[in-house]
Formats: sequence, structure tokens, C-alpha cells
Amino acid sequence: RKEVEQDPGPFNVPEGATVAFNCTYSNSASQSFFWYRQDCRKEPKLLMSVYSSGNEDGRFTAQLNRASQYISLLIRDSKLSDSATYLCAVNIYNRGSTLGRLYFGRGTQLTVWP
Amino acid sequence: SAVISQKPSRDICQRGTSLTIQCQVDSQVTMMFWYRQQPGQSLTLIATANQGSEATYESGFVIDKFPISRPNLTFSTLTVSNMSPEDSSIYLCSVAGTAHQETQYFGPGTRLLVL
Repeated sequence: RKEVEQDPGPFNVPEGATVAFNCTYSNSASQSFFWYRQDCRKEPKLLMSVYSSGNEDGRFTAQLNRASQYISLLIRDSKLSDSATYLCAVNIYNRGSTLGRLYFGRGTQLTVWP
Repeated sequence: SAVISQKPSRDICQRGTSLTIQCQVDSQVTMMFWYRQQPGQSLTLIATANQGSEATYESGFVIDKFPISRPNLTFSTLTVSNMSPEDSSIYLCSVAGTAHQETQYFGPGTRLLVL
């Protein structure tokens, strides 16, 4: 079983729509959680960390549900510029590892159309 | 976040040759990693580059094929040895251990095509 499973998408939504992505993780020892955005032919860029209490950054809201072992990303009022692939990542500390290692989901492709 | 550069940005190589990719960070970082991303796929961790000691490889990756160096806290290299077309991919370095500790930041990647 993969450490992180992610909605495969693709999601095609009109401008202004609200869209949500989910990721589930299998290791209950997972310590920290992230959402990355990856534009075509570019490197992944950190979108936001996910905190236990949930966090919001403008139109983006990230939530963590430890009991059900999933994280979510909600995008409100979608813009054309939101079109990208969104990757969730889970950091797990292994024995002997200073900062743990990240496990990435496969990514969900979002296309926002006018 | 740290500024990360990679060289080369892209290359086309012949089967059987080797390519060394460089990753340079503008500040000292605790951890450096090397990933591979094949078209339409997510990121696969190749190894963790350890400063002053041998890299830690993930299952399916070996030192003979992907030798890694990390001579200091700001620089690492990944060599793709004896290349075959299956090695065609994007290779990305990432760093962690800046102000936001375990958060990883990625370099721009190296696009490799093996003919």
C-alpha cells in the first residue's frame, strides 16, 4: 500500500468554482503535511503547510483529519492561474532521520476554464 | 526559502554515457535530497545526500547507478551512470532544514533525454 494516496483527477472547473482535493495517508506516525503546486514543466513549489487546526491562506484552505488520516485542500473562487497539478506530501520521521522524509501523492491535475 | 540552482537545466545524452547534475544552495541546509519525476508521474525519492558520508538510497536505487556526493552543506551532485533511455526523466534536488525545518524546497530540475 502506498504511503500517500491522492485523488487522480483531472478536475476541470469554470472560473469562480470551488474545488476540493483529498489525500489519504497510511502511516499514523506521520508528523507534518504539505500541499505543493506544480506547473507544467516546472518544479513543485510549496503552496502551504497543513496544521492540525486547519489553516487558510486567501482562497486556499487546508485541513488535516488525523483520525481518518487524510488532508484536504479547498480552493474557492478558482482563477485561470490556479490551473496546475497539486501534490500532497506527508513527512514521516524514521529512526536515524534528522528531519524525516516526504512521501508525495501522485498529484491532482486542475484545469480552470473561462 | 533558500535559492536553489541546478546545472545543467537540460541535456540530451547517448546511451552508455554518464551525466553529473549539480545542485547549489545559497545557504547552508541540513538535508539535501534527489528525486526523479517521470512524465505524468509523481516524485520518486532516489536518495538522501548526507554531508561527509555515503548517501542513503531508497529501494530500487543503488550507488553504482546513481553515485551522489555532498562535500559541504550547500552543494551536492548526482551522477546518472551508464545511461539508458529508461533514465530519461526530470531530476530534482530538494533541500530541508532552513528556517522552516522539515519543509522541502525544490530546485528547478534537470531534464534528461537519453537516446
